[in-house]
Amino acid sequence: AAGVIQSPRHLIKEKRETATLKCYPIPRHDTVYWYQQGPGQDPQFLISFYEKMQSDKGSIPDRFSAQQFSDYHSELNMSSLELGDSALYFCASSPPDRTPSGNTIYFGEGSWLTVV
Amino acid sequence: AQKITQTQPGMFVQEKEAVTLDCTYDTSDPSYGLFWYKQPSSGEMIFLIYQGSYDQQNATEGRYSLNFQKARKSANLVISASQLGDSAMYFCAMREALNTGFQKLVFGTGTRLLVSP
Repeated sequence: AAGVIQSPRHLIKEKRETATLKCYPIPRHDTVYWYQQGPGQDPQFLISFYEKMQSDKGSIPDRFSAQQFSDYHSELNMSSLELGDSALYFCASSPPDRTPSGNTIYFGEGSWLTVV
Repeated sequence: AQKITQTQPGMFVQEKEAVTLDCTYDTSDPSYGLFWYKQPSSGEMIFLIYQGSYDQQNATEGRYSLNFQKARKSANLVISASQLGDSAMYFCAMREALNTGFQKLVFGTGTRLLVSP
């Protein structure tokens, strides 16, 4: 079965640079979430999109932005990178709630960002 | 207030034994979902099991079962017949039915499980 696809899997950037992470949700899933997991931390919610519109916003820095495109893929853009942005970034997706498994959220394998 | 509490930072179990990972939650919403995820050292977040607040029976998925005690607001994960490959970090998470209908997951701090031969 198709899963959530994230790219790149690993990314090394220097301070003050910009990084873009991509996410392709499971087909027919209409909600996409972005999470950030720092070393030894639990995942923290950043932002979500429902049907290509921003639906909820968490602890996302102003330097970060995200959008969901017409094909439902999403991109997380991070500018003016700081050392503290080094983390594992997850994208997750969930189907419309009317489906039998509508309450399950599936995660991608994550994108490791290292800022040096 | 902490929404999800996992009080066991680490747990040890011998291979083939059963282990229970604790999770308590806090919500005033009557409609919510509880999830357990496994995160091995490679980093991916693997969905294990889900329990809805209105589900009458405890969820089971193979060797995983969820001991759901609604009145106590607990949703403990039971792994039967532990295997070496079960060694990982385990996260309990909750999804609330927000007024907006858009439901994000909130995670606990996790429990690291180590299975020994």
